Amino acid sequence: DSGVTQTPKHLITATGQRVTLRCSPRSGDLSVYWYQQSLDQGLQFLIQYYNGEERAKGNILERFSAQQFPDLHSELNLSSLELGDSALYFCASSVSSGRPYNEQFFGPGTRLTVL
Amino acid sequence: DQQVKQNSPSLSVQEGRISILNCDYTNSMFDYFLWYKKYPAEGPTFLISISSIKDKNEDGRFTVFLNKSAKHLSLHIVPSQPGDSAVYFCAAAATGANNLFFGTGTRLTVIP
Repeated sequence: DSGVTQTPKHLITATGQRVTLRCSPRSGDLSVYWYQQSLDQGLQFLIQYYNGEERAKGNILERFSAQQFPDLHSELNLSSLELGDSALYFCASSVSSGRPYNEQFFGPGTRLTVL
Repeated sequence: DQQVKQNSPSLSVQEGRISILNCDYTNSMFDYFLWYKKYPAEGPTFLISISSIKDKNEDGRFTVFLNKSAKHLSLHIVPSQPGDSAVYFCAAAATGANNLFFGTGTRLTVIP
């Protein structure tokens, strides 16, 4: 158990809908990272927040947005969902921002299925 | 554009033998490399890392080798154990960047 929790574990929805994925980082961790893993793909970095502020942005679509709240939990919002958004979404947390990367702890992921 | 590539989707090895997992990268700005291990229904967990100033890093049964000129790294597991059966992801970080670039993973099966 990494100490990072993600809810829900599974989510099934229809095209055009909007969903929210939630992540609670390990106690004391200030950074939250979101990754997307599509079928047969590696983890693609989406976005990072550090202590409530956006710190880095990766291959995140405009239909996707995220935020980190004062209690440090984070939410990833996915809207106007398309079939291709079906994927595993991982959240990771770390004490600091950036390095050392071995201190990134991953949650178990949320599996999103868009029908 | 996949900047970190793991060209072998799967690998099977007998228990006690050596497992060698390979990873290639294209971005010359990458200066830090990591291997993560992932079991089903769990998130990736950190295994071992190497800085570009080194060409080898060892931790118990796990050794990572880096060949900068070839833009290639490999993970050696000796001896392989059935509990090592998992998906292994190679990841890389570039100077000045916060995020990691991951490969597509190699599924290792260690046969008892």
